[in-house]
This record gives sequence, C-alpha cells and structure tokens, in this order.
Amino acid sequence: DAGITQSPRHKVTETGTPVTLRCHQTENHRYMYWYRQDPGHGLRLIHYSYGVKDTDKGEVSDGYSVSRSKTEDFLLTLESATSSQTSVYFCAISESQQGRRTEAFFGQGTRLTVV
Amino acid sequence: AQSVTQLDSQVPVFEEAPVELRCNYSSSVSVYLFWYVQYPNQGLQLLLKYLSGSTLVKGINGFEAEFNKSQTSFHLRKPSVHISDTAEYFCAVTRKGTGGFKTIFGAGTRLFVKA
Repeated sequence: DAGITQSPRHKVTETGTPVTLRCHQTENHRYMYWYRQDPGHGLRLIHYSYGVKDTDKGEVSDGYSVSRSKTEDFLLTLESATSSQTSVYFCAISESQQGRRTEAFFGQGTRLTVV
Repeated sequence: AQSVTQLDSQVPVFEEAPVELRCNYSSSVSVYLFWYVQYPNQGLQLLLKYLSGSTLVKGINGFEAEFNKSQTSFHLRKPSVHISDTAEYFCAVTRKGTGGFKTIFGAGTRLFVKA
C-alpha cells in the first residue's frame, strides 16, 4: 500500500466548530488532493496541491481551506463546520512522470459527522 | 468545464455473465483516463489507466477498457464476473490545467453480482 495516512479516521463535531483533517504521505509525491464522497455524487474535489505552498480550488471548495507547508503533509480545515459537511473525506497523492500524471493513491478515508 | 458521466448508477448481473460499465467524459483538451474500484469501507484502488498508445487497456482482475476519442467514452468491461467483483466503480478523468493536474470523478456505478 502507498504510504498515506489520514487522521483522524472518525470524528464527530458540533456545528460551528473548526475541524482540521490531516493527510500524511511518505512517498514524496508532488500532488496531493482532498475529496469528499457522498452518495450519488462520487468523489468531488475540494482542493489540491501541486507543491509546497501551491494549492488550488476544486469543485466544492466553499467552506474549506487547505495548507501545505511541507511535502508530506496536506491539511484540510473546515473553518466553521456545518451539517452539509458531514461526509467521508479522502486524501489522494500522485506523481507526474515525463509530463504524464500517474494514477492517484488513496488514503483510507475520514468519516466526519457534524451534529 | 470538464465532467464525467457514468451512465448507470447500479448494475445487477449474474455470476459468470459479462458486464459493461459505461463512462463518458467532456473535455476539450487531452486527458488521461482511469477506472477505480472501491470495496466497502475502503479507499479506492486503481483498476486500469489510459495515458496514451493502444486504446484497449487491460487492468487487474480481468477488467479491460476501451478509449474512444470520437465518442469521448471509456467503458469498462469484464467477460465473466465473480461474486467478489461486487463493489463500486468510479471513472476518473485527469487533465493538466494552470495549477497542475486535476482529476474529476464520475458519480460511481455500483456493481451487484448475484449467484
């Protein structure tokens, strides 16, 4: 398995509180991604990073922010959690070889419940 | 805008029968195409990928897919399914933008293999 660790794996939090999810990789891959998975929607891209301190928005970035201060860590923050952010969150990593992107490797997911 | 459409949300099939899971995408630029599988309570695993070259791609577990540029499709097939193939399958499209490579997923197709 690719060296990707998500923490925490499960979290229950109250509406209005800030929450930070962590993705840690040991593969030294350049690209890191945060997705959320909801029934009927597949995986939707929240934010991604293409290098240290280089990030960009995905399809559903509202209410989320990210930071990447070093290659191995990519943090996802919900500034003020809402019930609509109850979901399973997946981190993924990938690398680009000769200008062609290789496949993404996924973490095991974080199940977040906002009550 | 880039989008991925998986035409069937659920596909029931009997064991040892053939199956096709359909995927269409929209993009005006060159893309890379992937199929992933997700077993219950797990992350996603790569089944196969198309980067360039031959349009017929073979993957793990007997799956294959054919890239059709004119129809912008990347359908997944298996000639004879097993009970263990029961899972959710995701089609994904990657293209390079200003911020690096971005991957968009379809909503998923749930494959049920019946005895």
